Amino acid sequence: GAGVSQTPSNKVTEKGKYVELRCDPISGHTALYWYRQSLGQGPEFLIYFQGTGAADDSGLPNDRFFAVRPEGSVSTLKIQRTERGDSAVYLCASSRKESSYNEQFFGPGTRLTVL
Amino acid sequence: QKEVEQNSGPLSVPEGAIASLNCTYSDRVSQSFFWYRQYSGKSPELIMSIYSNGDKEDGRFTAQLNKASQYVSLLIRDSQPSDSATYLCAVNLWKGRGGNKLTFGTGTQLKVEL
Repeated sequence: GAGVSQTPSNKVTEKGKYVELRCDPISGHTALYWYRQSLGQGPEFLIYFQGTGAADDSGLPNDRFFAVRPEGSVSTLKIQRTERGDSAVYLCASSRKESSYNEQFFGPGTRLTVL
Repeated sequence: QKEVEQNSGPLSVPEGAIASLNCTYSDRVSQSFFWYRQYSGKSPELIMSIYSNGDKEDGRFTAQLNKASQYVSLLIRDSQPSDSATYLCAVNLWKGRGGNKLTFGTGTQLKVEL
């Protein structure tokens, strides 16, 4: 029973570049979430998927951020024209199904640094 | 007012003592509550979930929920140095499809001293 996996663990990029962050949820979990955590803060919600569709993308900060989950399993968070303010740890979580009573389990995160 | 509030600490307790961590939330219709532990440089690890008023015990951990007062707490008995970490309180407001997301506090740093 592997947990949530995320790749890469670290990503350093230059301002203006495009990046993709990948998340592989726990097997059998249908709900997948993306959060972002800055130093000294709690994780901040970005988007969540139930199956293949984005059920709530209200946390995406602007249209440079986009996420997909084409087959209902692996998800990719895509950031265009990166800015220094995008530097943070990007966390992915999954839960068995869509319910407030379902516990969310986090992956190890991707630390994104925009120079 | 922040949606989920925690004292940032650090909270220092001696080894073997009870550590008490508190969290308040602003939305009365919040339905589920979670405590995560986060070691420095690591991702949050779920340690407790609670949904009903009262206490829920799991080993050395007890979560307490009081919906009328809108607070949730975590007690750690017989604190160990390995409990030193940041403890994040998270609240889930279920609004049906599209509302299933966690809102986190900023976390309380706990230091258990020898």
